Amino acid sequence: GENVEQHPSTLSVQEGDSAVIKCTYSDSASNYFPWYKQELGKRPQLIIDIRSNVGEKKDQRIAVTLNKTAKHFSLHITETQPEDSAVYFCAASSAGGTSYGKLTFGQGTILTVHP
Amino acid sequence: DAGVTQSPTHLIKTRGQQVTLRCSPKSGHDTVSWYQQALGQGPQFIFQYYEEEERQRGNFPDRFSGHQFPNYSSELNVNALLLGDSALYLCASTLGGEQFFGPGTRLTVL
Repeated sequence: GENVEQHPSTLSVQEGDSAVIKCTYSDSASNYFPWYKQELGKRPQLIIDIRSNVGEKKDQRIAVTLNKTAKHFSLHITETQPEDSAVYFCAASSAGGTSYGKLTFGQGTILTVHP
Repeated sequence: DAGVTQSPTHLIKTRGQQVTLRCSPKSGHDTVSWYQQALGQGPQFIFQYYEEEERQRGNFPDRFSGHQFPNYSSELNVNALLLGDSALYLCASTLGGEQFFGPGTRLTVL
């Protein structure tokens, strides 16, 4: 089955700096890669996703890049703010047709943004 | 438009007992997935229901079972509870796209 590795496990940055979180996956059939932000005691919330027919996607201060050949994808957050502090999870899924299958999650990255 | 809801929010059980968790999907969503999130870890896929049938299953024992009703709501049942079943149980719904997560049920097994 799919295996997703996520690094680093913790990341501490100063406000205004950039943060990068990297994930690798094992199953070449995976074609959908979402990123979730989970604040303490709350539900995971989707912040950005990318499908395998796209190499990069941006949404304001957040971007995701995908390298299918190397089987890795990364989350980039620019101009970090204290409100960005949370646990971030990457995930991979094999989506077929109009249905999206199970998500396999990475182990999570605790991001701390210091004012 | 209500999002994904789950009940109860918290639950305390003892070893060997049985528990039922409930999930109401986002309006219009027909697919429900269940995940177990142990403290400090990423969610682990338990199973997915579509059209009232289990469509996919993760590496969980048969003690974990589920059901989906005609209105797309779903239940997760866990029998013979073990201490290791203590976790946050998340339900996610989708209509063929993004999976929306509910707030979860925190299960503590003593």
